[in-house]
Order: sequence, then structure tokens, then C-alpha cells
Amino acid sequence: GAVVSQHPSRVICKSGTSVKIECRSLDFQATTMFWYRQFPKQSLMLMATSNEGSKATYEQGVEKDKFLINHASLTLSTLTVTSAHPEDSSFYICRAIKAGTDTQYFGPGTRLTVL
Amino acid sequence: AQSVTQPDIHITVSEGASLELRCNYSYGATPYLFWYVQSPGQGLQLLLKYFSGDTLVQGIKGFEAEFKRSQSSFNLRKPSVHWSDAAEYFCAVGESGNEKLTFGTGTRLTIIP
Repeated sequence: GAVVSQHPSRVICKSGTSVKIECRSLDFQATTMFWYRQFPKQSLMLMATSNEGSKATYEQGVEKDKFLINHASLTLSTLTVTSAHPEDSSFYICRAIKAGTDTQYFGPGTRLTVL
Repeated sequence: AQSVTQPDIHITVSEGASLELRCNYSYGATPYLFWYVQSPGQGLQLLLKYFSGDTLVQGIKGFEAEFKRSQSSFNLRKPSVHWSDAAEYFCAVGESGNEKLTFGTGTRLTIIP
């Protein structure tokens, strides 16, 4: 079946550095991908909607200059956390919509720890 | 604004017993409702969804959910749980079929022998 992968699955970085997280649809094209973050014991919070070939749409309160999203192809969206701080530590999850359908798949998530 | 409430943070059920996980939503129009399961290290998997029609929805792994508009609820049920059902369960409401989703805080299910 269709699978969405995320890389890396875990990353630890120093405060002030940038981290790139990839979300890939492995056997289908995804015109739309969503990025969420999840805090421990809490819900998934939508950060932004990523559409292939266009700028991402960010949710209120999400800093677009801090969380850079690029959806350069129909199978890949990237989230870059710039100048990371400890409060950016979280679980980041992507969700991909299969092109031309209402079928959706979540990635397994990326655990980011900023020291 | 839409919102989802899952009042039970953690539920423990004996293997073979029945299960009901509660979900209440707030939404202005007819909602699109979803239940997802999240196992450690894995992505969220869609169990079932409701858009319209029959208010009792059948999903995968023997789960079902009933949409009750009068109670703004979409509770998830399973007649007999298996140890492999232990996971985190999320209820979600959408503005449309596959656009933005608002998630509840989740219910962690523990299965005891």
C-alpha cells in the first residue's frame, strides 16, 4: 500500500542550528502535504499546508521564516526549522493527500530535540 | 471555530472486553469526522471516517463509530479488544474531505490480560 516516509526519524541538534525534515510519498503523487507538530500528551497542531509548486500556507501563530516549507516535487515536501531553540523540540508529522483522490496518509513522524 | 474533545486521557480495558472511546466535536456545519490510531514509531492510521449517510460507520480492525448529531458525538467502539489494539487514538474533524483537520488530544488505550 501507499507509504509516506519521513527522514530523519530522530534528530538532536544544538540551539541555533537549522534542521531539515523530509516527507516523501513513496509510491504516489501528493499535490498537498500538511505539516503538524505534536507535543507530549497533546494533540496534533497544524502548522502549514504545502502545495506543490506554490508557497505554503501557514496557520496563525506559526512563524513562516522560522519554519520553512518547500514542496518542490509531487513526492517531496521539506520542513526546515531555522535557528532552532529548545522550545522547538517536538514531534513533527506530515500528512500527504494522494493526487486526484481523497486518500490521505501520515508519515511516521520526526522527533526533534534541540539542546 | 471547530474543536474536538476527547474527555478520556487514558483508558484501561481487559483483553476481550468491549471498548468505547468518546469524542465530542464543535462545528458549525455538517462535519467530516475521523478516527485515527497511532502506534509508537508509526504514523497515524485511519480507522474510519464519516462524511454523510449512514450514521453508523464501519472501519478497519473491527472498529465502528456512530455519529450522533444531537449529542455532537462520534464515539468509537469495538466489541472485543485485542492486545494489539493498545495505542493512542485520535478523533478529528475536518472542514472538508481532506483539507485541514482539527485533532482531539487523544486517548491512550492500555489492554490488560
